[in-house]
Amino acid sequence: GEDVEQSLFLSVREGDSSVINCTYTDSSSTYLYWYKQEPGAGLQLLTYIFSNMDMKQDQRLTVLLNKKDKHLSLRIADTQTGDSAIYFCAETMRFGAGTRLTVKP
Amino acid sequence: GAVVSQHPSWVICKSGTSVKIECRSLDFQATTMFWYRQFPKQSLMLMATSNEGSKATYEQGVEKDKFLINHASLTLSTLTVTSAHPEDSSFYICSARYSGGSNQPQHFGDGTRLSIL
Repeated sequence: GEDVEQSLFLSVREGDSSVINCTYTDSSSTYLYWYKQEPGAGLQLLTYIFSNMDMKQDQRLTVLLNKKDKHLSLRIADTQTGDSAIYFCAETMRFGAGTRLTVKP
Repeated sequence: GAVVSQHPSWVICKSGTSVKIECRSLDFQATTMFWYRQFPKQSLMLMATSNEGSKATYEQGVEKDKFLINHASLTLSTLTVTSAHPEDSSFYICSARYSGGSNQPQHFGDGTRLSIL
């Protein structure tokens, strides 16, 4: 199986919160990352968290890290239609398959 | 900051043509750059790691003679798809990492869509 796993699809209504979950296997990763990819574009680094932290907040984004369970999540508050994209969870060199977030008006 | 420029963004060419894609870090030095390939609705597949001043390291199954990589400076890496065929059609994305170490995040270019007729 893949080293980084995440669900493939998530659909929410505009204004709701979105939570994208990820599990990873390499406990030696110093940082864990979230990237956003819009159609036909490259990846945009959204945020990253140092492995000795359990939470990081950046405006509408909240990252939670459970190092014991190797579980990472990205919460987007007040989700907007512009947030529709594919979100990739990543260790240093390994990427998940991406979660396609669809935001309905 | 941390802008990575990739050029061209889209190229269509005939089978048998060689195509060069450039990846530049505009405002930082990148000892290491990475080349990925992405098929529709799939994740990124790492093709090779490009190190400035040395030979690239290719992932298993990637033909080094088919995908030539040159990383001649701290701000530029190129990928040349030699004698491209329709099966090489894909979205190619590069990324660059600060020279500060392997734990630095990667910053991605906008990708190159390659279509071989």
